[in-house]
Amino acid sequence: DQQVKQNSPSLSVQEGRISILNCDYTNSMFDYFLWYKKYPAEGPTFLISISSIKDKNEDGRFTVFLNKSAKHLSLHIVPSQPGDSAVYFCAALGNNNNDMRFGAGTRLTVKP
Amino acid sequence: NAGVTQTPKFRILKIGQSMTLQCTQDMNHNYMYWYRQDPGMGLKLIYYSVGAGITDKGEVPNGYNVSRSTTEDFPLRLELAAPSQTSVYFCASNNRVNSGNTIYFGEGSWLTVV
Repeated sequence: DQQVKQNSPSLSVQEGRISILNCDYTNSMFDYFLWYKKYPAEGPTFLISISSIKDKNEDGRFTVFLNKSAKHLSLHIVPSQPGDSAVYFCAALGNNNNDMRFGAGTRLTVKP
Repeated sequence: NAGVTQTPKFRILKIGQSMTLQCTQDMNHNYMYWYRQDPGMGLKLIYYSVGAGITDKGEVPNGYNVSRSTTEDFPLRLELAAPSQTSVYFCASNNRVNSGNTIYFGEGSWLTVV
C-alpha cells in the first residue's frame, strides 16, 4: 500500500536550469510533508517541509508547492547545481501520527 | 557533533543467525525510529519509540524486536535472519517539541542475509 508515490525514478537536468521533482499521495489524513535528500552511503538529510495550511514554502533555491485538492506536491530547485545530484525522497505525516511514509525516491542528476 | 550513530555499517549474516543493530543519539531526542530501505522502495518504518521504556510497531515489524532502556539508545534485534531482511537500515531520531516533524537519520547499516 504505497501511500506516497514518486513516479519518476530518475531525472536529469542541465546545470542552471530548473529541476522539478513530483510526489503524489493518497491518504487525505496527511497534513505535513517533507523532502529529504540522500547522497550515496549516507543517511537522508532534511531539505524542506510544508504544512497543509500552506501551498508554498521557499528556502533559498528550494521551493515546495502543495496542491491539496490534487494530493500532489512538487519540489523546485532553481538554479540546479551539480552538487544537487542525489536521491530525493518525499515524505508525509498525519497529525498525531508517528508513522512517516516515504516515497520510493527520485534520483536527480545535474549535468555541468 | 555525532548526531545519530549506527553500528555496524556493514554486516553479512547467515540464515537463522541473530544480531543487533546498535543506534545511539546524543541530541537528547525523545523520539527514535528504525527504518529499512529496499532497492527502488521508500523507507519503511519498522519500530519507533516515543521515550525510554516505550516502543511501538511501525509498518513492517515482523522479524524484529527493539528496546529503549535509555533515551540515547535504541537497538534493533533480528532473531532469526531471513534473506527478506537483506536491506539498508536507518536509525533516526527527533524531538517533536524542538524540531517538529523533521527527523535526523544515521548513516545506515547495510545488512545482507545469505
